[in-house]
Amino acid sequence: DAKTTQPTSMDCAEGRAANLPCNHSTISGNEYVYWYRQIHSQGPQYIIHGLKNNETNEMASLIITEDRKSSTLILPHATLRDTAVYYCIVRVVGTGNQFYFGTGTSLTVIP
Amino acid sequence: GAVVSQHPSRVICKSGTSVKIECRSLDFQATTMFWYRQFPKQSLMLMATSNEGSKATYEQGVEKDKFLINHASLTLSTLTVTSAHPEDSSFYICSAGGTNTGELFFGEGSRLTVL
Repeated sequence: DAKTTQPTSMDCAEGRAANLPCNHSTISGNEYVYWYRQIHSQGPQYIIHGLKNNETNEMASLIITEDRKSSTLILPHATLRDTAVYYCIVRVVGTGNQFYFGTGTSLTVIP
Repeated sequence: GAVVSQHPSRVICKSGTSVKIECRSLDFQATTMFWYRQFPKQSLMLMATSNEGSKATYEQGVEKDKFLINHASLTLSTLTVTSAHPEDSSFYICSAGGTNTGELFFGEGSRLTVL
């Protein structure tokens, strides 16, 4: 079962930073935080993941609070192509360990 | 990055027939693959975990005789929807995990429409 809570929807102006929050208050010490996004009628796309340190890659930044009970995905300069449903997932690393999706946040980037 | 491919991307079938969907890991070996189902405007629901060389593990409420899973090699898992009915119409998505970094890679999805 999903162990995360996200807002149902958010809007962001094109060119501005999009900050997507996620609560995972029951996260275990060996569970990572993963972020994926899904554009309509496509398979989910991996964005970023982390354990406790903040992470950054070419797509986004992941900020995890010190107590690890919440995190924020940051898209630094949102474009129209970033309009998608964003999913936050907690999972123990391991190829046999399942990903359970919550309801996600529907992000709409507005021109 | 790692690629997972599904085939077919779209399939339309008559009620009562069976449909097979293939999931391939193109540049890595996957001892475990996952099958999801997604209805319109809903999230992905995990159906089953496919294990190479052994029986699949099904999530609660998913009928194993309805959704047959075969994982005969390290790069191929198949999902067969048997005796399909209109309520089986959905978007089916497979995924497989990379061994080093922990992320899961998803296929493009297969949209099944049962008439």
